[in-house]
Amino acid sequence: SQTIHQWPATLVQPVGSPLSLECTVEGTSNPNLYWYRQAAGRGLQLLFYSVGIGQISSEVPQNLSASRPQDRQFILSSKKLLLSDSGFYLCAWSPTGASWNTEAFFGQGTRLTVV
Amino acid sequence: AQSVTQLGSHVSVSEGALVLLRCNYSSSVPPYLFWYVQYPNQGLQLLLKYTSAATLVKGINGFEAEFKKSETSFHLTKPSAHMSDAAEYFCAVRSYNTDKLIFGTGTRLQVFP
Repeated sequence: SQTIHQWPATLVQPVGSPLSLECTVEGTSNPNLYWYRQAAGRGLQLLFYSVGIGQISSEVPQNLSASRPQDRQFILSSKKLLLSDSGFYLCAWSPTGASWNTEAFFGQGTRLTVV
Repeated sequence: AQSVTQLGSHVSVSEGALVLLRCNYSSSVPPYLFWYVQYPNQGLQLLLKYTSAATLVKGINGFEAEFKKSETSFHLTKPSAHMSDAAEYFCAVRSYNTDKLIFGTGTRLQVFP
């Protein structure tokens, strides 16, 4: 069966420090991968999605970047964190080439607090 | 482009009462719609999805949703709320020409004893 791992679960970082959040998927190949951010009272905002290694689409201009160095690995990064980067970050995957009614599967999330 | 709108950021019901969470979609093509639930500090879990096979969709935990094309709606209901239903609920639509899943702003459900 497929599983998705996301870490760390919580993170407190000072303003201006770098960020690296990692997400890996097991049990499938060539998944579509997504990073979402959930800010208090603002729902889920799609940040990045990837349909293959090295293929990243950015949805919102921001202080963050994403990379996909391996087929089932998706990394969210920042060189210098801002206070506004605080939030709950969720990684998700969906099968590539699947029918349109296929859902996305989510990791447990990372609570990032920038202080 | 497809989108969903969730009316009401907060809904409060008494235990045993009907739960109704609203979702309206915008799409020029037949949409693929989903409802997810999120418990505090956790990821999202799929409740149910509309697959065009039936307009009334039954999901987990006693929830169901009805697709109404004439009203462009996909509201989530449960006949009798339980304390354990307290969570945040998200409606989502899959973008027709990409693999993106677009979410609404969510509705937080509170259940009072």
